[in-house]
Amino acid sequence: AQSVSQHNHHVILSEAASLELGCNYSYGGTVNLFWYVQYPGQHLQLLLKYFSGDPLVKGIKGFEAEFIKSKFSFNLRKPSVQWSDTAEYFCAVNANAGKSTFGDGTTLTVKP
Amino acid sequence: EAQVTQNPRYLITVTGKKLTVTCSQNMNHEYMSWYRQDPGLGLRQIYYSMNVEVTDKGDVPEGYKVSRKEKRNFPLILESPSPNQTSLYFCASSLRRGAASTDTQYFGPGTRLTVL
Repeated sequence: AQSVSQHNHHVILSEAASLELGCNYSYGGTVNLFWYVQYPGQHLQLLLKYFSGDPLVKGIKGFEAEFIKSKFSFNLRKPSVQWSDTAEYFCAVNANAGKSTFGDGTTLTVKP
Repeated sequence: EAQVTQNPRYLITVTGKKLTVTCSQNMNHEYMSWYRQDPGLGLRQIYYSMNVEVTDKGDVPEGYKVSRKEKRNFPLILESPSPNQTSLYFCASSLRRGAASTDTQYFGPGTRLTVL
């Protein structure tokens, strides 16, 4: 069975601070990895995804994530956060056809 | 506008009273899925559908039913709701699934359900 673990449940940062949100997954085969974001009052939307090729993927709004196969990790990063990045962030795995597994989510609060 | 819609957006009901939450997408997507979101538990998959007349259980299917008679619609049915089904529900769709499960999921706005 596949599983996803997000290490930080709530992160508070000041504007311009750097961000790294941890995500580890558990699955023995090929995986496709996603980060979704849910801004207050809005739908979940895709930030970025990885399925093959360069393990460093870039997404919208300056976010990037690095897939490290040996560590089963897919951590999300942003060099300098803004107040508008305040949101809930979800790591997700598509492994078995049809099934999607999400992490518990990380709430990011950016103080202006 | 390409979108996933859900109705109702908010619903308060009582234990045992059957209800249906509708989900519709206008993107001709093959894959649709239902999730519930609970504090501290993230999103958990209830059911999914790879195509018309093809549905399968996710991680938390107990107490729910679904059907996929048309490509665009994927209703979630609670035959006898109970208080532990109080949650925020999301419908999602993606172009296709299967071996190449790289497609982005597009989410609806959510339905907040309270079962008293």
